[in-house]
Amino acid sequence: NAGVTQTPKFQVLKTGQSMTLQCAQDMNHNSMYWYRQDPGMGLRLIYYSASEGTTDKGEVPNGYNVSRLNKREFSLRLESAAPSQTSVYFCASFRTPGLAGVGYEQYFGPGTRLTVT
Amino acid sequence: GENVEQHPSTLSVQEGDSAVIKCTYSDSASNYFPWYKQELGKGPQLIIDIRSNVGEKKDQRIAVTLNKTAKHFSLHITETQPEDSAVYFCAAPPRTGANNLFFGTGTRLTVIP
Repeated sequence: NAGVTQTPKFQVLKTGQSMTLQCAQDMNHNSMYWYRQDPGMGLRLIYYSASEGTTDKGEVPNGYNVSRLNKREFSLRLESAAPSQTSVYFCASFRTPGLAGVGYEQYFGPGTRLTVT
Repeated sequence: GENVEQHPSTLSVQEGDSAVIKCTYSDSASNYFPWYKQELGKGPQLIIDIRSNVGEKKDQRIAVTLNKTAKHFSLHITETQPEDSAVYFCAAPPRTGANNLFFGTGTRLTVIP
């Protein structure tokens, strides 16, 4: 199993450009997540998808859109990139769908380092 | 919503000494508390977790303790080794049954050989 894979690993954009970050998991997990990681601020949830066909906003959704293409794939789109979106982006998938009393182990991808100039 | 605070932000210890990282959470309904380790250039990896029905859990050199009354939990690493150097994150779900996590701001641990 490859686990959670992300593409690209690095990207430089100019302000106003658009791009889509791709994420795929081969663990048959129902839930998938997009986080951004900034120095001193930990991991902040952008959007998540609890199951195929559903998406929900996290803490910092402004400026982003997501698509749960199928059970394996969850993409993050920046329609008009801004310097404030310079960050490292992590995709994660979730082992179980939040059943009471069951753990919430999230598996993370290797990250995409995005710079917006 | 949930608020998870983590301290300290940086921690340096001599090889062989112990390291302790603490987190507090705000939502008394939270019932699961994982710890993640992030090495340079990689995504976070789960290293240990604890559920709200136990007070302590150990796995070799690492342990997590939970004080539900005070709403805080801690990561303990004993006999630290240079390969323990990394950034550590605590997390908690916002409520029972939630399928997302709120993360602390991270602790950069440096183990000095």
